[in-house]
Amino acid sequence: GAGVSQTPSNKVTEKGKYVELRCDPISGHTALYWYRQSLGQGPEFLIYFQGTGAADDSGLPNDRFFAVRPEGSVSTLKIQRTERGDSAVYLCASSLSTNSPLHFGNGTRLTVT
Amino acid sequence: AQSVTQLDSQVPVFEEAPVELRCNYSSSVSVYLFWYVQYPNQGLQLLLKYLSGSTLVKGINGFEAEFNKSQTSFHLRKPSVHISDTAEYFCAVSGMDSSYKLIFGSGTRLLVRP
Repeated sequence: GAGVSQTPSNKVTEKGKYVELRCDPISGHTALYWYRQSLGQGPEFLIYFQGTGAADDSGLPNDRFFAVRPEGSVSTLKIQRTERGDSAVYLCASSLSTNSPLHFGNGTRLTVT
Repeated sequence: AQSVTQLDSQVPVFEEAPVELRCNYSSSVSVYLFWYVQYPNQGLQLLLKYLSGSTLVKGINGFEAEFNKSQTSFHLRKPSVHISDTAEYFCAVSGMDSSYKLIFGSGTRLLVRP
């Protein structure tokens, strides 16, 4: 079956611009997660959704980062006034429930020039 | 809070040799432990997990790991590696009180040579 789909796979943007990264979770998965993986590092937790609500957004680095999941399925990670330090691979994962295994997408590679 | 240390950034090994990838963690609460593998240009894939019970956990592709609470370790092993095992391996931990939040190590690149 279809896995977690992330679009675009690559995004290049200029410093100061706004970007949106999309995640389509596996159908029926109620939990959705965003992680960020910088070069040479392991993924870092950003935010966790249970249904439509953000149950934990403690990993978002600052108020330029925001994520939504309005219908409890697709999620969008939004980054305002991008900075070069935001360059990373942004990973989305979903799970059937909170205690179920996470299924990761292939990520969106964001490059801020 | 939890943290994970993977001391080896890269482990070169010859095909059919055994391998051990080391992982140590710290936590003030009881934890769940995981190993994920990331093949080039692919997403993270769960290899195995320890939630409770037997401390020796078997996963996919012939990998296994042993949870050692006294040494706060969860080392990954395979008795005989293949070229196709070349990938990045990540150890991760989550607290039982916040099981949705995985804390990852920095990864170990396993390089299998013929």
